Amino acid sequence: LAKTTQPISMDSYEGQEVNITCSHNNIATNDYITWYQQFPSQGPRFIIQGYKTKVTNEVASLFIPADRKSSTLSLPRVSLSDTAVYYCLVVINTNAGKSTFGDGTTLTVKP
Amino acid sequence: NAGVTQTPKFQVLKTGQSMTLQCAQDMNHNSMYWYRQDPGMGLRLIYYSASEGTTDKGEVPNGYNVSRLNKREFSLRLESAAPSQTSVYFCASTGDATMNTEAFFGQGTRLTVV
Repeated sequence: LAKTTQPISMDSYEGQEVNITCSHNNIATNDYITWYQQFPSQGPRFIIQGYKTKVTNEVASLFIPADRKSSTLSLPRVSLSDTAVYYCLVVINTNAGKSTFGDGTTLTVKP
Repeated sequence: NAGVTQTPKFQVLKTGQSMTLQCAQDMNHNSMYWYRQDPGMGLRLIYYSASEGTTDKGEVPNGYNVSRLNKREFSLRLESAAPSQTSVYFCASTGDATMNTEAFFGQGTRLTVV
């Protein structure tokens, strides 16, 4: 299994940029990196997915270095509503049953 | 468009009782998954179904059974509930079997076994 390691928690203030890094040292060639957001009492929600370099969508950017052993989720100008748990997931391209969630990073945005 | 719907939302069972958690998706997805989430922890895969007619064990399958009733529905059964199965259960679906696409999750079923 491609295990991931993230910080347990992070604090930020409204309007700041937040970067959450995930380590995935044993990622395989065909694996993708995906990030999910989860609010209390809700199911996770897809944020972004990437394979290498940089991916950007309307809510976040994902930076993946050339060795792909880590990735960084960047949230620009966070607001209080971004307070949530963020999960990094290595998607095993050949077997969904081997894709595992880590324990996530609890982001707390303060006013 | 409802997405992924789970029933019930809450359930309390006594040790040894059985129950079935229901999940249905209306996105014409091929693959469906059942996860459990214990307090303060990430999601762990119980079972998944890559396509209609197939099911496979995930990380923590013991004590559970599943049925892929048709393309839309994927149920999870606890034959003899134990307190260790107290958790929040999430159903998810993806277009294909790799999770290499966006996964859509239901709102969860909060199960307490006493």
